[in-house]
Amino acid sequence: EDKVVQSPLSLVVHEGDTVTLNCSYEVTNFRSLLWYKQEKKAPTFLFMLTSSGIEKKSGRLSSILDKKELFSILNITATQTGDSAVYLCAVERSGGSNYKLTFGKGTLLTVNP
Amino acid sequence: SAVISQKPSRDICQRGTSLTIQCQVDSQVTMMFWYRQQPGQSLTLIATANQGSEATYESGFVIDKFPISRPNLTFSTLTVSNMSPEDSSIYLCSVESGEETQYFGPGTRLLVL
Repeated sequence: EDKVVQSPLSLVVHEGDTVTLNCSYEVTNFRSLLWYKQEKKAPTFLFMLTSSGIEKKSGRLSSILDKKELFSILNITATQTGDSAVYLCAVERSGGSNYKLTFGKGTLLTVNP
Repeated sequence: SAVISQKPSRDICQRGTSLTIQCQVDSQVTMMFWYRQQPGQSLTLIATANQGSEATYESGFVIDKFPISRPNLTFSTLTVSNMSPEDSSIYLCSVESGEETQYFGPGTRLLVL
């Protein structure tokens, strides 16, 4: 059974801090790892990672994948209160037409002013 | 990325009734997915809906409880049947876009009394 474990489960920081969120996984026929930000209801897509060691960046957010050690990290620098959300990690398996995503429980990030 | 809408955005229902949730996409997509997020939990895939074929359900989910329709390439419905308070959740549809990444709709928050 595919498994995704995120840590920490929750984190409280002050504006301007840098945070690192962790995601480890076990999946059969790994295809990709995805990060989402969830505020209120809908997860919004952040990154998709398929190759080890290649950093993806978007503004203050960046992420990298290690396929040997089966983990990924999401970094947020110079955090702002608007970064407060649940950050979800998901892995996608391949296999015919089965593009199933398995999600972790998420990391609840709270950024205080 | 695809633009996805869901209706209703929220509802309060009585035990024993059924609710149909609609998901509309602004472009034709092959695969649509339905997820459930119970309070405090992560997203769990209910089923994959492909146009022209029966939905594929994940372990623990059955068609009688969660019938799905997929009449065309831009629309799907999920019905939550014979509801109980345990069905109180956020229900999300998602689609796989041309970039082979899943994007989520805004979600439907359901409370069953």
